[in-house]
Amino acid sequence: EAGVTQSPTHLIKTRGQQATLRCSPISGHTSVYWYQQALGLGLQFLLWYDEGEERNRGNFPPRFSGRQFPNYSSELNVNALELEDSALYLCASSIDRGYEQYFGPGTRLTVT
Amino acid sequence: GQQVMQIPQYQHVQEGEDFTTYCNSSTTLSNIQWYKQRPGGHPVFLIQLVKSGEVKKQKRLTFQFGEAKKNSSLHITATQTTDVGTYFCAGGSQGNLIFGKGTKLSVKP
Repeated sequence: EAGVTQSPTHLIKTRGQQATLRCSPISGHTSVYWYQQALGLGLQFLLWYDEGEERNRGNFPPRFSGRQFPNYSSELNVNALELEDSALYLCASSIDRGYEQYFGPGTRLTVT
Repeated sequence: GQQVMQIPQYQHVQEGEDFTTYCNSSTTLSNIQWYKQRPGGHPVFLIQLVKSGEVKKQKRLTFQFGEAKKNSSLHITATQTTDVGTYFCAGGSQGNLIFGKGTKLSVKP
């Protein structure tokens, strides 16, 4: 069974640009979660999608947004990039809310 | 809002020593999950505890869920260099999962 996949692995952008990160969940999983992990820090919850709808959102500004497609894959968009957005962005999926989450390898975003 | 606190933030041990990380929630949890993130890797699910007072073991790892379902612990007996990484607890409440900030374990051979 394929795990959670994310693309790209690395992304380098300049301040003010927009970044798009993609995630494909494990087959059969309908919930997708996005987390930000700045260097050496913990997991900061960004967004939770389930059945195509945004179900919950962490304490992040509106320039962090996303969506979930009918095939349950998901996209995270970060607009007007700032230097402090540099981090590892992790996507996780679960079969349903509250169940264990399976993480992808992450996208390393660097903003210069 | 709901918080899950995890201590210590860092722990350095000599190989063979024991290690414990603690997780405390401000509210009663429906379940607690534990994850391990190796250096350079991504978090990997270890276990879930659901019942009050539950204890589960995985080889040298012992997981406990408090009687009040507000705290949990992970204990590693006789640490090995392969135990290096960050251990996260995640408390489940009303369908949401709140991650602690993690305990980073380093093991000196």
